Amino acid sequence: EAAVTQSPRNKVTVTGGNVTLSCRQTNSHNYMYWYRQDTGHGLRLIHYSYGAGNLQIGDVPDGYKATRTTQEDFFLLLELASPSQTSLYFCASSDLANTGQLYFGEGSKLTVL
Amino acid sequence: AQKVTQTQTSISVMEKTTVTMDCVYETQDSSYFLFWYKQTASGEIVFLIRQDSYKKENATVGHYSLNFQKPKSSIGLIITATQIEDSAVYFCAMREVAGNTRKLIFGLGTTLQVQP
Repeated sequence: EAAVTQSPRNKVTVTGGNVTLSCRQTNSHNYMYWYRQDTGHGLRLIHYSYGAGNLQIGDVPDGYKATRTTQEDFFLLLELASPSQTSLYFCASSDLANTGQLYFGEGSKLTVL
Repeated sequence: AQKVTQTQTSISVMEKTTVTMDCVYETQDSSYFLFWYKQTASGEIVFLIRQDSYKKENATVGHYSLNFQKPKSSIGLIITATQIEDSAVYFCAMREVAGNTRKLIFGLGTTLQVQP
């Protein structure tokens, strides 16, 4: 069974704070993604990667950095968090050589006060 | 540019009936994949079913099936014999095969409520 694990599951920070969301997949998938989910906007792609050291820009990248350190680990960094980044964040992995479907993590709820 | 549109914000049906959720998409690519995902009340997002654009036969998995109408750029999700536990948010998504991007674009979702 595919497995994608996110941490922390819940995080509260203040405006200007520094936040790192972590994601680990044990699927041996090449592609990993970070999405944010907001009411009225659905799932929007922030950044994605096709392997260690690679980073691709998504559709809503402003205010976010990301780093893929290994095939398993993908991090989302908010260096100066703002209230507009309060959201539910999902990490996902995908083996595009096969079905191309996404396997999602459990989600990380971030609140920026 | 890719775009996925789900016009139904919410649907309410009685248990054991059949429901259809609509989805239309826009793409310049001749080959693409279409997906449906389900998000439960706990927030978990799971893959349900996929349609490959080059296949004429509609995909079916369990009590989920698709109504793929390529000329209309439409991919409807049909759930037969609905159950209470089918209550969730359903997302339609698309991925193009060609090009340099490998991203899934999602619709805004349709909330399904199944009443006893």
